[in-house]
Amino acid sequence: ETGVTQTPRHLVMGMTNKKSLKCEQHLGHNAMYWYKQSAKKPLELMFVYNFKEQTENNSVPSRFSPECPNSSHLFLHLHTLQPEDSALYLCASRPPGGGNNEQFFGPGTRLTVL
Amino acid sequence: RKEVEQDPGPFNVPEGATVAFNCTYSNSASQSFFWYRQDCRKEPKLLMSVYSSGNEDGRFTAQLNRASQYISLLIRDSKLSDSATYLCVVNIYNTDKLIFGTGTRLQVFP
Repeated sequence: ETGVTQTPRHLVMGMTNKKSLKCEQHLGHNAMYWYKQSAKKPLELMFVYNFKEQTENNSVPSRFSPECPNSSHLFLHLHTLQPEDSALYLCASRPPGGGNNEQFFGPGTRLTVL
Repeated sequence: RKEVEQDPGPFNVPEGATVAFNCTYSNSASQSFFWYRQDCRKEPKLLMSVYSSGNEDGRFTAQLNRASQYISLLIRDSKLSDSATYLCVVNIYNTDKLIFGTGTRLQVFP
């Protein structure tokens, strides 16, 4: 266990649904990340938050909406998704000290969009 | 061109074998380099950082060649438990961004 938790672990949703993914860490890390992992593709960075401020948005469609209320919690709000958005969504956190520090990943949420 | 390129494999090797993975990166602003390991249906975990002078951690040796923008990972005396996907990862200078390769799959057989 890395100390980063994600809920739910599995999610099936229709294209008209609204759902949220949750990530939590109590490791004292200041940076939190959302990644998407699709089959046969590299992990794709989606968003980065550093001390609750968004520092990276990797041209992610607006149907994905991140929220970082504090340094320990990160959400990804989903609405009107497409079947091609089905993937493993991984959250990660990083301790203070810069982007060259190790990232700790949660177990991921496996999302299926019908 | 992909930012980080790896041979996807799979590399099928017997126990005890030595195996080497290579990785190239295209962004010259890359400043930090890592190998992560990802087991099937699990999250990635840091295996080791890669330093300019090369570094070793037990059976694992990592090398970096900045001039050629090339990173390698050598695994000696392979164990069954080394079977996993090995991800080459670079951090872009002065950013929070990690760029991942697609990974190289290793299967060690008895």
